[in-house]
Amino acid sequence: DGGITQSPKYLFRKEGQNVTLSCEQNLNHDAMYWYRQDPGQGLRLIYYSQIVNDFQKGDIAEGYSVSREKKESFPLTVTSAQKNPTAFYLCASSPLAGIAYYEQYFGPGTRLTVT
Amino acid sequence: DAKTTQPPSMDCAEGRAANLPCNHSTISGNEYVYWYRQIHSQGPQYIIHGLKNNETNEMASLIITEDRKSSTLILPHATLRDTAVYYCILCRGGTSYGKLTFGQGTILTVHP
Repeated sequence: DGGITQSPKYLFRKEGQNVTLSCEQNLNHDAMYWYRQDPGQGLRLIYYSQIVNDFQKGDIAEGYSVSREKKESFPLTVTSAQKNPTAFYLCASSPLAGIAYYEQYFGPGTRLTVT
Repeated sequence: DAKTTQPPSMDCAEGRAANLPCNHSTISGNEYVYWYRQIHSQGPQYIIHGLKNNETNEMASLIITEDRKSSTLILPHATLRDTAVYYCILCRGGTSYGKLTFGQGTILTVHP
């Protein structure tokens, strides 16, 4: 089945540790995105990538880093510099053809808890 | 980008049509209306989008007023699985990437 996978579903870390969230897609989409969602809030864009080896900061990139070495993979690292890392993290992908880049396919999300 | 206004919550009886309104009175000529929904603890799901004309797909219909200042998402026969938060989002055509700006949305509860 085509889609986006994120792992793990739940992740627990101690404060001060870096943690990497996985995102893989087999939809052959060019663009990939990372969003963060806090309880009762909408999604906020962290990073996005349109092509391999290129990515851009979104609205809340501070404390996060990404890489795009392969078209199908876009891992997100939450660093110790992120002040409030506990959140629900969502990865998405879309084609870049015309307006279709707004038709984003989302993964199931990773719920990160940092204590 | 223009803002959207949606009611915070709505109820609907199972099997009836759910009509979710969205106000976007300051929409620009090149902004599309997109609808997504998010079932609890899952990733959002794309539903439908439109620019000027009404649109229909297997999930829903989108009615956009002639002046484009408001729109309505219609789920023709709501089921319990349609209970979710529904987001109305404006997306500007011609940009270089697809940033989605999610507001608070409408919590739709479908009851038996």
